[in-house]
Amino acid sequence: AQSVTQPDIHITVSEGASLELRCNYSYGATPYLFWYVQSPGQGLQLLLKYFSGDTLVQGIKGFEAEFKRSQSSFNLRKPSVHWSDAAEYFCAVEGGGGADGLTFGKGTHLIIQP
Amino acid sequence: KAGVTQTPRYLIKTRGQQVTLSCSPISGHRSVSWYQQTPGQGLQFLFEYFSETQRNKGNFPGRFSGRQFSNSRSEMNVSTLELGDSALYLCASSLESSYNEQFFGPGTRLTVL
Repeated sequence: AQSVTQPDIHITVSEGASLELRCNYSYGATPYLFWYVQSPGQGLQLLLKYFSGDTLVQGIKGFEAEFKRSQSSFNLRKPSVHWSDAAEYFCAVEGGGGADGLTFGKGTHLIIQP
Repeated sequence: KAGVTQTPRYLIKTRGQQVTLSCSPISGHRSVSWYQQTPGQGLQFLFEYFSETQRNKGNFPGRFSGRQFSNSRSEMNVSTLELGDSALYLCASSLESSYNEQFFGPGTRLTVL
């Protein structure tokens, strides 16, 4: 079965600093990969997705992610964070055929220091 | 274009009762998926409906069920509620399948006392 690991439960960064959130997946073939963000009291919003092709994908709000097959990783990055980026971030995988829906990681809580 | 709407937003029930949650997808979207979010288990896939048929199902007991209507609106039902069913229930809609971008609603917060 597919699985997703987000090793960092909490991450604190200063406003204006760069950000990298880690995501590792387990799946036999090339999965479909997603990053979602959830603000308090809100549903999830898609930041970006990887299906195939260029391994560096651009998303909304200045985020990007890089798919590395050799490391089974799909890390999310942003060069300069804003206070409004404080939220919960979820990495998710869909293994093909839609048999299991989206499998989410446990999430990383991002705290922005002024 | 209106987003995914879920009703009610908050619900309090007692053990043993049953509950029905509703989800209206974005106009034109035919796939509706349901997820349960809890602090301990995180986000877990419940089931997906497409064209009034359950297409996929997660690993949840039979107390959790759902349906989809011809207008793509979906309901999920939980019977014989347990304390552990307290969670945020999220609905997501997409055009054809969860391969397409899923748009999430704000969720229904269910508290079981």
